[in-house]
Amino acid sequence: RKEVEQDPGPFNVPEGATVAFNCTYSNSASQSFFWYRQDCRKEPKLLMSVYSSGNEDGRFTAQLNRASQYISLLIRDSKLSDSATYLCVVNPGSARQLTFGSGTQLTVLP
Amino acid sequence: ETGVTQTPRHLVMGMTNKKSLKCEQHLGHNAMYWYKQSAKKPLELMFVYNFKEQTENNSVPSRFSPECPNSSHLFLHLHTLQPEDSALYLCASSHRPGQGKYQETQYFGPGTRLLVL
Repeated sequence: RKEVEQDPGPFNVPEGATVAFNCTYSNSASQSFFWYRQDCRKEPKLLMSVYSSGNEDGRFTAQLNRASQYISLLIRDSKLSDSATYLCVVNPGSARQLTFGSGTQLTVLP
Repeated sequence: ETGVTQTPRHLVMGMTNKKSLKCEQHLGHNAMYWYKQSAKKPLELMFVYNFKEQTENNSVPSRFSPECPNSSHLFLHLHTLQPEDSALYLCASSHRPGQGKYQETQYFGPGTRLLVL
């Protein structure tokens, strides 16, 4: 089982739609979690950090379910500019470095 | 916009060439990282430096040689690369490396897109 698994997509949604991505992680000792977005041919940029049960920032909501070992990212009222690859990132703890998922590709259509 | 810069942005090299990638961070961070990103694969951590000292080498082949002269600069020296080394090489920095409960956010540079012929 991969340490961090994401559905690669692509997710193609119309403008204004609500879309959700899930990410599962294998290490139950993982301590903190992040969502990064990566635009085509650009570097990853931090979108949200998740240290407890969840986090909300405008149209974006991240939730953590430790019992089931997954985190989700919900995007409401999708904009064309939300089109990107969303990377799930996990801190496995025990002084280990961040582990990145392969990413979920989102395309918001006009 | 970004506090982490990388040069060159694009590089084409033959298998017998020697080249170097440069990364500079202007954020006052203490930790710097090299990652490799191949198509359709997750980011792969290559090296970690904390206060100029290498703290992690993720089983990277010796044809990749990192150098960190100070906390603001990081180099990746390349020699006798293989075509499968073609990828996007990303540099990142953070206040401190991955230790403890609260992982400090990593900020990425724009990357060097490398093609090995």
